Amino acid sequence: RKEVEQDPGPFNVPEGATVAFNCTYSNSASQSFFWYRQDCRKEPKLLMSVYSSGNEDGRFTAQLNRASQYISLLIRDSKLSDSATYLCVVNKVDAGGTSYGKLTFGQGTILTVHP
Amino acid sequence: SQTIHQWPATLVQPVGSPLSLECTVEGTSNPNLYWYRQAAGRGLQLLFYSVGIGQISSEVPQNLSASRPQDRQFILSSKKLLLSDSGFYLCAWSVDWGGRQYFGPGTRLTVT
Repeated sequence: RKEVEQDPGPFNVPEGATVAFNCTYSNSASQSFFWYRQDCRKEPKLLMSVYSSGNEDGRFTAQLNRASQYISLLIRDSKLSDSATYLCVVNKVDAGGTSYGKLTFGQGTILTVHP
Repeated sequence: SQTIHQWPATLVQPVGSPLSLECTVEGTSNPNLYWYRQAAGRGLQLLFYSVGIGQISSEVPQNLSASRPQDRQFILSSKKLLLSDSGFYLCAWSVDWGGRQYFGPGTRLTVT
């Protein structure tokens, strides 16, 4: 089983649509969760952290279910500029429970928003 | 504010040639530094991380090595490149172990 699994898509949606991405992770000891965004041939950029209580940043809402080891990202009112690959990211914890900030990235979900 | 630089932006090297990629961070002290590789159509793979000068940890066995000669400088090297070393190499920094990392613009390496 992959450490972080995402539906690769691609998702093709019209402007204004709502789209949801899902992600599962295998290590129950993981403590930090993020969504990163990567534009074509560019570096990943942090989109938002994901907290147990759920959190929102404008049109973006992230949810975490620790019991199910499941993370989601909801994008409302999609814009053309939202087209990108969305990466689910989980901190990598070693056998001793230490992370050192190491991250495990999912393969990414490709989103294309069209007019 | 903090900035991270990587060079070169693109590189084409023959098999068997050496490699040196450099990453520098400005505007912060004692950052944690990371090297990742993203092969074509694949996810990011952590190669090395460093929590201080001269402290390097390797995540996967490979044909590459890393060094941190100065606090804000991280170098990725190889003595002899393989075709499988082709990819997008990304350097990242963080201020703590919480996981928020900031990436440089990357180096796209093609080994021919």
